[in-house]
Amino acid sequence: DIVMTQSPDSLAVSLGERATINCKSSRSVLLSSNNKDRLAWYQQKPGQPPKLLIYWASTRESGVPDRFIGSGSGTDFTLTISSLQAEDVAVYYCQQYSSIPLTFGPGTKVDI
Amino acid sequence: EVQLVESGGGLVQPGGSLRLSCAASGFIFSDYWMYWVRQAPGKGLVWVSRINPGGSETTYADSVKGRFTISRDNANNMLYLQMDSLRADDTAVYYCLKRGLDGAYFVPWGQGTLVSVSS
Repeated sequence: DIVMTQSPDSLAVSLGERATINCKSSRSVLLSSNNKDRLAWYQQKPGQPPKLLIYWASTRESGVPDRFIGSGSGTDFTLTISSLQAEDVAVYYCQQYSSIPLTFGPGTKVDI
Repeated sequence: EVQLVESGGGLVQPGGSLRLSCAASGFIFSDYWMYWVRQAPGKGLVWVSRINPGGSETTYADSVKGRFTISRDNANNMLYLQMDSLRADDTAVYYCLKRGLDGAYFVPWGQGTLVSVSS
């Protein structure tokens, strides 16, 4: 199984400042046929289901604000919120879809 | 608009059974792999099972293998999860999910259905 880890467990960021969340996979999730990484990011606000933010490590889902930026490759990935807004308070999860079982990171809680 | 509406959750005793249903709409259901993912209260996301478009291929997480059965009815755009020999650690919100266009990422997510296993 591919084990996903995230750091930090939680972070507090001032409004308008940058938040950076790291995600690491225990082995590469790169798909060689298209040179893309099979890594997604989700946002889960309190009391709500998760919402897809990013897939293929850096492709923003339609409607997702451009302050959410996915980067990285191979085994190391980052979700950056370039200018934190109040509505971004949530738990963020990474997920690999390179192999079964699909696995998620443990989540990173972002607060103001 | 893609919609996935889960139902069938509830309170069940350890060792009991429950069948979850998911009504899908807004896309060609029979074209897509479908998945179940669960989330225990206050915990993270865990993949449970998947089924191929025709229903002939199924895969399970080790934690549910032999106890849960995924199935689908393409004529009625329905996904199911038969859950037997339930245990307290099966308590979770269960989400029915559709594979993305080009990978097993998930959009959208419905509200899920809560399964509570307790005596």
